[in-house]
Amino acid sequence: GQNIDQPTEMTATEGAIVQINCTYQTSGFNGLFWYQQHAGEAPTFLSYNVLDGLEEKGRFSSFLSRSKGYSYLLLKELQMKDSASYLCAVCGNDYKLSFGAGTTVTVRA
Amino acid sequence: NAGVMQNPRHLVRRRGQEARLRCSPMKGHSHVYWYRQLPEEGLKFMVYLQKENIIDESGMPKERFSAEFPKEGPSILRIQQVVRGDSAAYFCASSPLPRVSAPREKLFFGSGTQLSVL
Repeated sequence: GQNIDQPTEMTATEGAIVQINCTYQTSGFNGLFWYQQHAGEAPTFLSYNVLDGLEEKGRFSSFLSRSKGYSYLLLKELQMKDSASYLCAVCGNDYKLSFGAGTTVTVRA
Repeated sequence: NAGVMQNPRHLVRRRGQEARLRCSPMKGHSHVYWYRQLPEEGLKFMVYLQKENIIDESGMPKERFSAEFPKEGPSILRIQQVVRGDSAAYFCASSPLPRVSAPREKLFFGSGTQLSVL
């Protein structure tokens, strides 16, 4: 089975940095995805990691350590529009995406 | 280039009625996935379909739920004799490639159908 854990909520100030951690235990590993989901909207793709290390894409970066079963999503220079739920998803041996429950990030002025 | 289209956005049904949720994948995509999302919970996989074929339905409840993706038209998720526990957001996602290549091909999600059972 798949077990994916991430914090339920995080709050940060506009302009700050927030790091969302995700730990996983899965049957096999074929990559880890991060999605952003605003309330009532579709999840949208943010990043994909399959090798260890840091992937940087603008204000967002994602890190993966396969040996530790650990990833984080780093959001820099936070903006109000970044208030959303962030979903960690792992692709296992069956090539299905298994999602964590999501981390709701609230950005305050 | 329209994205994944789901309708209706909101669906209200009384207990015992049928619910039909529709999903039109992105143009050129022939692989469709259905997920269910309950409050405070993650997206749960339900079923994976290709045109006219159900590839993996391991996440579907054994009774009352069915899915299809005909040669022509949208994919349909059908829930018969709905109960209050079926109330959730149902998301459809599509991909242009078979699942075995999926890790490098992200899923594109629709905006979901919120089903409320009274």
